[in-house]
Amino acid sequence: EPEVTQTPSHQVTQMGQEVILRCVPISNHLYFYWYRQILGQKVEFLVSFYNNEISEKSEIFDDQFSVERPDGSNFTLKIRSTKLEDSAMYFCASRDDREVAFFGQGTRLTVV
Amino acid sequence: KQEVTQIPAALSVPEGENLVLNCSFTDSAIYNLQWFRQDPGKGLTSLLLIQSSQREQTSGRLNASLDKSSGRSTLYIAASQPGDSATYLCAVPVTGGGNKLTFGTGTQLKVEL
Repeated sequence: EPEVTQTPSHQVTQMGQEVILRCVPISNHLYFYWYRQILGQKVEFLVSFYNNEISEKSEIFDDQFSVERPDGSNFTLKIRSTKLEDSAMYFCASRDDREVAFFGQGTRLTVV
Repeated sequence: KQEVTQIPAALSVPEGENLVLNCSFTDSAIYNLQWFRQDPGKGLTSLLLIQSSQREQTSGRLNASLDKSSGRSTLYIAASQPGDSATYLCAVPVTGGGNKLTFGTGTQLKVEL
């Protein structure tokens, strides 16, 4: 069965460093998303992406964040200068034409 | 703003018991609702998506119902097994701009032998 894959599964970075989280959505899906989940809290929306542009972003998704689909398969989330409060599980998702959202296994980001 | 709440927050049951998880949402103008399962430290696995035109959706031992007018959905798990132990999340799409999902608080289920 097709699945959303994310790499790396765990990343530790120093505060102020840039990180890039990578995702390969399901190939025939058109909508892509990033969500995050701080430990013990709700899953929260960051950004949606359609037709090679951001379609919606949350208040969390400030100038430190950016997304890119550099080729036909990868979808990346970049955090320019990480802060301690960016530590969370980051999930990539893609959506099919039946509106079902498929999520990756997540990248656990730890900022130290 | 859509708010999604799930009760109970945690539930522990003996193996074999049938159980119901509840999800409520404040804005009834939804067009579907999705239930997910999350294992500790893992991603989200889609269990069921129920469209607003449906009242129920079934997959194996799972049955989801949706009552838009009252802003409620339930996930019924029949004959629970220890492998069902996980956190169960419901989520509704917010119309416009890519249909982001708003998630509930989750119910942490433990099925004991």
